[in-house]
Amino acid sequence: RKEVEQDPGPFNVPEGATVAFNCTYSNSASQSFFWYRQDCRKEPKLLMSVYSSGNEDGRFTAQLNRASQYISLLIRDSKLSDSATYLCVVNGRGSYIPTFGRGTSLIVHP
Amino acid sequence: DGGITQSPKYLFRKEGQNVTLSCEQNLNHDAMYWYRQDPGQGLRLIYYSQIVNDFQKGDIAEGYSVSREKKESFPLTVTSAQKNPTAFYLCASSRSLAGGRNEQFFGPGTRLTVL
Repeated sequence: RKEVEQDPGPFNVPEGATVAFNCTYSNSASQSFFWYRQDCRKEPKLLMSVYSSGNEDGRFTAQLNRASQYISLLIRDSKLSDSATYLCVVNGRGSYIPTFGRGTSLIVHP
Repeated sequence: DGGITQSPKYLFRKEGQNVTLSCEQNLNHDAMYWYRQDPGQGLRLIYYSQIVNDFQKGDIAEGYSVSREKKESFPLTVTSAQKNPTAFYLCASSRSLAGGRNEQFFGPGTRLTVL
């Protein structure tokens, strides 16, 4: 089993839709979790950290389920500019070594 | 503005040549990393460094070398021993935050093509 797994997609949704991605991780001792966004041929950029109690940033909501070992990202009212690849990141091998998922591709169409 | 810079943005290399990719950060971060990304693939860790004058191999270190003589700089050399070096190379840095959180920040990347 891979350390961090994501559905590669693509998720193809109309503007205004709500879309959710899940990411599962194998190391139950993992301590910190993040979502990054990567645009085509660009570097990943931190979208948001994921806290145990769940957290929201505008249209984006992140959740952590430690019992089932997954994190989720919910995007409400999708915009065309949300089209990107969303990377799940888990610190599972020590605090300095994050593990990246392969990413989930989102395409928002008019 | 604080950030991470990488140069060059595009690099072309002939087979058999060594090339060095630059990475500089002014975020005062202790840890720095090099990743490789192939089309449609995730990030794979090449090397990382937690402090000056110390670095560790990642998952795919063969054919690569690094140095960390200054806190701000972490250059990566792609040697002729690397059999398939054409890829997108990303440098990142981080500082350890409270509770073990370790957010990474990335440079804009170098796209290396072997001719």
